[in-house]
Amino acid sequence: RKEVEQDPGPFNVPEGATVAFNCTYSNSASQSFFWYRQDCRKEPKLLMSVYSSGNEDGRFTAQLNRASQYISLLIRDSKLSDSATYLCAVLEHNAGKSTFGDGTTLTVKP
Amino acid sequence: DADVTQTPRNRITKTGKRIMLECSQTKGHDRMYWYRQDPGLGLRLIYYSFDVKDINKGEISDGYSVSRQAQAKFSLSLESAIPNQTALYFCATSDLRLDRNEQFFGPGTRLTVL
Repeated sequence: RKEVEQDPGPFNVPEGATVAFNCTYSNSASQSFFWYRQDCRKEPKLLMSVYSSGNEDGRFTAQLNRASQYISLLIRDSKLSDSATYLCAVLEHNAGKSTFGDGTTLTVKP
Repeated sequence: DADVTQTPRNRITKTGKRIMLECSQTKGHDRMYWYRQDPGLGLRLIYYSFDVKDINKGEISDGYSVSRQAQAKFSLSLESAIPNQTALYFCATSDLRLDRNEQFFGPGTRLTVL
């Protein structure tokens, strides 16, 4: 079993749709959680960190469920420009390295 | 100017050749990482370094070696390249002093081994 698992998709949604991605992790010692966005053939860039109480940044909402060991990303009112691959990552501070999921591909269509 | 740079950006080589990929950063971060990315497989950690004197193997270090020449430079070598090392390689940095310890990635090196 992979340490971090994501639904690979692809997710194909119309503009304006709401879409949610989930990511599960197996290492209960994980302490920090992130969502990265990666455009085709480009480097991943941090979209948002995920805080225990949940956090929102515009149309994006991230949630953490430590008991069930998963994080989620909700995108509301999808835009064409949201089309990308979304990678979740978990960090165990003692180990000092992040483990990434394989990514979920989103395509937003007109 | 980019904070994390990688050279070369693209490289085509032949089986058995020695290849070095270089990474430099101006962010002043202490931690540096090398990942490879294959289609549909996400990012897999090759090596990482917490400072100049600290080098650690990641999950797929076989066939690779690294050198941390300075805080700002971290090089990845393929001693004898083979076709299944064809991939997109990313260097990344992070700083434990930052609140969340996110990673900052270079633009990537696309390596093809024939």
